[in-house]
Amino acid sequence: DARVTQTPRHKVTEMGQEVTMRCQPILGHNTVFWYRQTMMQGLELLAYFRNRAPLDDSGMPKDRFSAEMPDATLATLKIQPSEPRDSAVYFCASGLVARYGYTFGSGTRLTVV
Amino acid sequence: KQEVTQIPAALSVPEGENLVLNCSFTDSAIYNLQWFRQDPGKGLTSLLLIQSSQREQTSGRLNASLDKSSGRSTLYIAASQPGDSATYLCAVSFRLTQGGSEKLVFGKGTKLTVNP
Repeated sequence: DARVTQTPRHKVTEMGQEVTMRCQPILGHNTVFWYRQTMMQGLELLAYFRNRAPLDDSGMPKDRFSAEMPDATLATLKIQPSEPRDSAVYFCASGLVARYGYTFGSGTRLTVV
Repeated sequence: KQEVTQIPAALSVPEGENLVLNCSFTDSAIYNLQWFRQDPGKGLTSLLLIQSSQREQTSGRLNASLDKSSGRSTLYIAASQPGDSATYLCAVSFRLTQGGSEKLVFGKGTKLTVNP
């Protein structure tokens, strides 16, 4: 089965450090979403790419978060500097076009101490 | 603003019972609606995808319906089993006016417990 691969699975870091999370979308998929999941807020949309171009990153704190797709096989989400309130599970999802639904990766569990 | 609401937030039922989970959304301009399952500490597994032109989809003991005009979807689980215990999430792909883009918005989920 084709899958979305996220690395690392777990990350513990100290406040102020840079964190980079990576996502390998399913080959051929042209749409990538980044979400953050917390107990309080549920799944929050952070960024959305189509054909590698950012279409919506309005949900992302711009001062510390950045999302990129350097090529079609890699999406990255970077936090610099990290803060304890960034502790959450970050999910990446990919899909082909709007009609066909999305496949999620297993997530990166981030803990900032 | 595009919003998705799921009720109830939690549900506990005895094994064998048929049950319905509800999802409502605020805008009828959608591409599709997708139901996911999430086990504790795990990722999201897609259960059913209903296109905006469809009324329902079935997979095994699961049946999902869509009423786009009223902004509602239901997930029906027949003959529930303890293995069905998980959080069920509804996600709506809203059609945005700018450039054919979309916004995939999730409800907060229904936590289901099926007791043996």
